[in-house]
Amino acid sequence: EPEVTQTPSHQVTQMGQEVILRCVPISNHLYFYWYRQILGQKVEFLVSFYNNEISEKSEIFDDQFSVERPDGSNFTLKIRSTKLEDSAMYFCASQGTGGRNGYTFGSGTRLTVV
Amino acid sequence: QKEVEQNSGPLSVPEGAIASLNCTYSDRVSQSFFWYRQYSGKSPELIMSIYSNGDKEDGRFTAQLNKASQYVSLLIRDSQPSDSATYLCAVNAGGANNLFFGTGTRLTVIP
Repeated sequence: EPEVTQTPSHQVTQMGQEVILRCVPISNHLYFYWYRQILGQKVEFLVSFYNNEISEKSEIFDDQFSVERPDGSNFTLKIRSTKLEDSAMYFCASQGTGGRNGYTFGSGTRLTVV
Repeated sequence: QKEVEQNSGPLSVPEGAIASLNCTYSDRVSQSFFWYRQYSGKSPELIMSIYSNGDKEDGRFTAQLNKASQYVSLLIRDSQPSDSATYLCAVNAGGANNLFFGTGTRLTVIP
């Protein structure tokens, strides 16, 4: 079964540093997403990406965050100047077509900011 | 603010029983509804989707949707210990593709 692949599985970074989280979505999918889940809390939407541009973003996704699809296969989330409260599990998801189809989530990257 | 509410549990049922999980949502224009299963430390895994009022069955799982009451539920028949997980209700954002998740209901199936 096709998978969404995320790397690294765990990233530890110092406060103020920049991190890049990487995702390889399912190859024929068109919609890509980043979500995060702070430990013990709900899964929260960050951003959606379609046709090489952001289609939706939440209030969480401020100027500290950016996304890119640099080479047609990878989908990255960059977090600049990390803060302690950015510590969370970050999930990438992809979707074949929009709306009524559920997502396939990657296994996640656990980001720990120290 | 679009809200998705779930009873956080824990919900404990004996093996072989029916587990009933409930969810309410605030956004009346929501069109698509999903149930995800999340094992501890793992990513959400889609188990059911439903778009029309009524019931939808898939194996041991039945999703029920009542848009007038803004209510969606998941029934798990013949519960197995392997069903022990947190079940997340997710609702689309009405016209967009992003989802709003509830906090999840933790289910424990007792052998």
